[in-house]
Amino acid sequence: GAGVSQSPSNKVTEKGKDVELRCDPISGHTALYWYRQSLGQGLEFLIYFQGNSAPDKSGLPSDRFSAERTGGSVSTLTIQRTQQEDSAVYLCASRLDRGYTEAFFGQGTRLTVV
Amino acid sequence: AQKITQTQPGMFVQEKEAVTLDCTYDTSDPSYGLFWYKQPSSGEMIFLIYQGSYDQQNATEGRYSLNFQKARKSANLVISASQLGDSAMYFCAMRGPTISGSARQLTFGSGTQLTVLP
Repeated sequence: GAGVSQSPSNKVTEKGKDVELRCDPISGHTALYWYRQSLGQGLEFLIYFQGNSAPDKSGLPSDRFSAERTGGSVSTLTIQRTQQEDSAVYLCASRLDRGYTEAFFGQGTRLTVV
Repeated sequence: AQKITQTQPGMFVQEKEAVTLDCTYDTSDPSYGLFWYKQPSSGEMIFLIYQGSYDQQNATEGRYSLNFQKARKSANLVISASQLGDSAMYFCAMRGPTISGSARQLTFGSGTQLTVLP
């Protein structure tokens, strides 16, 4: 596609349920990032995939959070046993893994845990 | 570890005037890239401008320019001739070289909310 695509755009879930958020990066972009942005706050790094290298998971806040990237393309962020503090916008970005090219962001998934 | 600091939570500027948004950074890598993004109320993240650590000249992109002072580790964004549509949150970000572990992350500052007044 022309840009980074994230789905769903909005998700309301009950506390304790698992959710999956999807990111479809720009074709050919080998680097992929997940960020979390709480209301009015900055971007909190979660995880980074770069080609076939092991992902950088240093930003995942707890073991309830996991992410995978299949075939070097689509990525799924999974949050298990959701808590109210997980409510935020989850942003995905991709970039060409070449020098210091800019990252392109998706529109985000707004997650609300009730 | 790399760190980005934006000390201005909010800024106001009169339409048609210039405004400078501050950004300082900290890294031990000699090679890095600096980015500015704009996030309007719609939530999308829009790339504005990039500066490489070895670039000899300050980056410019239309009404945006980057005042890069390497020795002071600052990368301030200058917006000239402000427009009402410039009202948004602005984020400074940094990325280290590919091989330097966690510096491969794209690290963001806390942002500055710019309001352009008519």
